[in-house]
Amino acid sequence: EVQLVESGGNLVRPGGSLSLSCVVSGFTFSDHYMDWVRQAPGKGLEWVGRSRSKTQSYRTEYAASVKGRFTISRDHSTRSLILQMNSLKTDDTAVYFCVRSLGGANAGIFDYWGQGTLVTVSS
Amino acid sequence: DIQMAQSPSSVSASVGDRVTITCRTSQGISSDLAWFQQRPGEAPKSLIYAASTLQSGVPSRFSGSGFGTDFTLTITSLQPEDFATYYCQHYNTYPFTFGGGTKVESK
Repeated sequence: EVQLVESGGNLVRPGGSLSLSCVVSGFTFSDHYMDWVRQAPGKGLEWVGRSRSKTQSYRTEYAASVKGRFTISRDHSTRSLILQMNSLKTDDTAVYFCVRSLGGANAGIFDYWGQGTLVTVSS
Repeated sequence: DIQMAQSPSSVSASVGDRVTITCRTSQGISSDLAWFQQRPGEAPKSLIYAASTLQSGVPSRFSGSGFGTDFTLTITSLQPEDFATYYCQHYNTYPFTFGGGTKVESK
């Protein structure tokens, strides 16, 4: 069974940093693209960024709103997708979802979602 | 960036009704479109990709169609568990963007 479990959400001051983790199970982590998507309270969905699969050298992509502040990486020893967030702004307040993509020819297409973790940026 | 115009923003319907939601993109995206369902307090669930392909386990009352810039999600015979918010998303180029959502409410 595919499982994605996020953690690390917290209250942080503007300008601060926070690291989110998504521990995965039930599939071969290195074979799949992985993404972060966020949802501000009462709002819609916003794509944050992507880590491609091993065959694509885990290359990353980011939304303009977070580029240069957020970094996506993988820790294969713990089967974790990491979102390092620096220089946080109040607009970054959201539930952050970890999302797996289909493999093979449909490599970039979302299928499984985690339950999300809440990040609140406030003074 | 590709803009997504989803309509309506909300629709009132009854169990058994047919519901249609549309999504229009600001430029052609071939069939690179997905649909998601989000119930209150839950994570989104993937329903459809490639405009018309159902994700594994999704009931056949859900269907998608379209190509280029105009897409449709149809729910035939609405069920109680289908009252939720639905989002379209393109994955044609970076950055990916989502529609604003359509809330399907009970009439």
